Amino acid sequence: AQTVTQSQPEMSVQEAETVTLSCTYDTSESNYYLFWYKQPPSRQMILVIRQEAYKQQNATENRFSVNFQKAAKSFSLKISDSQLGDTAMYFCAFVQGAQKLVFGQGTRLTINP
Amino acid sequence: DAGVIQSPRHEVTEMGQEVTLRCKPISGHNSLFWYRQTMMRGLELLIYFNNNVPIDDSGMPEDRFSAKMPNASFSTLKIQPSEPRDSAVYFCASSFGTPPEAFFGQGTRLTVV
Repeated sequence: AQTVTQSQPEMSVQEAETVTLSCTYDTSESNYYLFWYKQPPSRQMILVIRQEAYKQQNATENRFSVNFQKAAKSFSLKISDSQLGDTAMYFCAFVQGAQKLVFGQGTRLTINP
Repeated sequence: DAGVIQSPRHEVTEMGQEVTLRCKPISGHNSLFWYRQTMMRGLELLIYFNNNVPIDDSGMPEDRFSAKMPNASFSTLKIQPSEPRDSAVYFCASSFGTPPEAFFGQGTRLTVV
């Protein structure tokens, strides 16, 4: 069974700093997708960024980028120039094929002014 | 598109009562997921449907929980009888095709007293 592990329950940084959230996963499949979701206090789940396993290039969306290490089964999220609005729970998620999304336990990120 | 629509947003009920949560997926999406979120257990997949057919209900806690998808635009999650430990936020999500990213509703916060 696929599992997703986020080893950092909480993180806190100052506004404008760069922060990296860690995620590792376990699978025997070679083709799959990885996602980072953001859940602000409003509780809405918002897709931040996606990565397809067969693509070697790391995905980037504005201030958000990933470091995808397929051999190490690692998928970290880097937030550059962090903003107060980035304060949220961040979930790493894995899906293979058309199957279910499997989520990590989440990292609570606080951006301090 | 209005996104995934869940109702009600909040539900408070007494132990032993029947609770029905409702979800309208995004039009054209063919996969629908029900998740439960608690502090202790994080995000758990309860059940998912593909083309209105239940594919995996291994996450349904027990027989008190049931889910239906009578057509492509509507699904329900029913708890009967409800118990205090069912208190959680219940999310519905839908997806289509590749990449299989899930779009989430606003969630229903259920409180069983």
